[in-house]
Amino acid sequence: AQTVTQSQPEMSVQEAETVTLSCTYDTSESDYYLFWYKQPPSRQMILVIRQEAYKQQNATENRFSVNFQKAAKSFSLKISDSQLGDAAMYFCAYVKGGSEKLVFGKGTKLTVNP
Amino acid sequence: KAGVTQTPRYLIKTRGQQVTLSCSPISGHRSVSWYQQTPGQGLQFLFEYFSETQRNKGNFPGRFSGRQFSNSRSEMNVSTLELGDSALYLCASSGGLASSSYEQYFGPGTRLTVT
Repeated sequence: AQTVTQSQPEMSVQEAETVTLSCTYDTSESDYYLFWYKQPPSRQMILVIRQEAYKQQNATENRFSVNFQKAAKSFSLKISDSQLGDAAMYFCAYVKGGSEKLVFGKGTKLTVNP
Repeated sequence: KAGVTQTPRYLIKTRGQQVTLSCSPISGHRSVSWYQQTPGQGLQFLFEYFSETQRNKGNFPGRFSGRQFSNSRSEMNVSTLELGDSALYLCASSGGLASSSYEQYFGPGTRLTVT
């Protein structure tokens, strides 16, 4: 079974600084997709960024970028120029190609200090 | 485009009762998935529907069931409620496999409290 591990239950960062959230996953599949979701106190899950396993290039969305290390099965999220609105729970998620079943990590609570 | 909507947003039920939650996907999306979120177990997949057919099911007891209608709206039902069913129930929609992006967009959730 596929598993997703987020080893940092909590992280904090100063406003305008950069922070990296870690995620590792375990799978024997070759076709899969990885995601980072953000869940603010409102509990609304928001898709932050997507990475296809077959793509070597790391995905980037504005201030959010990933470091995808396929061989190491690592998928970290870097947030640059952190803003107060970035404070939230961040979930790493995996889905096997051909399936819609997302497997989530336990989450990392990010605090942004002014 | 309107996002995923879920009703009701909050529910309080008593043990032994049953409950039905509703989810309307983003227009044009044909796949609807349901997840349960609890502090102890985190986010767990319940089931996924596509074109009115259940394609995938998680490891939940048969008390949890769902269905999808021809307009892609979905409902999930929990019968004989237990205290442990208290959770945030999230619905997500996607374009289905044809979209090839596998991106799922979530609704605001239904907070179910069982007393």
